[in-house]
Amino acid sequence: AQSVTQLGSHVSVSEGALVLLRCNYSSSVPPYLFWYVQYPNQGLQLLLKYTTGATLVKGINGFEAEFKKSETSFHLTKPSAHMSDAAEYFCAVSEAGGSYIPTFGRGTSLIVHP
Amino acid sequence: NAGVTQTPKFRILKIGQSMTLQCTQDMNHNYMYWYRQDPGMGLKLIYYSVGAGITDKGEVPNGYNVSRSTTEDFPLRLELAAPSQTSVYFCASGDSTDTQYFGPGTRLTVL
Repeated sequence: AQSVTQLGSHVSVSEGALVLLRCNYSSSVPPYLFWYVQYPNQGLQLLLKYTTGATLVKGINGFEAEFKKSETSFHLTKPSAHMSDAAEYFCAVSEAGGSYIPTFGRGTSLIVHP
Repeated sequence: NAGVTQTPKFRILKIGQSMTLQCTQDMNHNYMYWYRQDPGMGLKLIYYSVGAGITDKGEVPNGYNVSRSTTEDFPLRLELAAPSQTSVYFCASGDSTDTQYFGPGTRLTVL
């Protein structure tokens, strides 16, 4: 069984500040890990993913995430927030080579203040 | 490459009416999914398919039906609409690394 916990339903930052969105997962087998972003009135789109190899993963729009197996975490960061980063962010986990059914977290709404 | 397309974008139904939400993908993905999204509740999986002719229930299948006669199409049928089915519905397709590609969504209101 797999599960995802996103800490904080809302995160508020000032423009130019560090963005940190937290994601912890549980999985009985090696995981695939994902971050998706959803802008208002749109579908979700992939920001970045970890499948195998390098544990620091870079994505679109300057975001990156690090897979830490010992901490069962996959936190999303961006050094400097931009107003256009305001959106809903979802972390997801699936079992590598497994069921093809990712489990999504409840989402974190990122608010960026000028 | 259109990706995943959904129709309609918006729909208002009366209680007891039926409708089909259409979903088409052009990426030749075997895996397809239907989710509903309610405010603050994340995504809930309704049905999924691992290939043409194969479908299975997700977390919240009651009140819905699906079919998968081709790789490209995965329609979702609502029978006897209820106010509890007011939601935003997303179709997605998935590749071999479980990456999902989402459509733009259908916003459904049942009155």
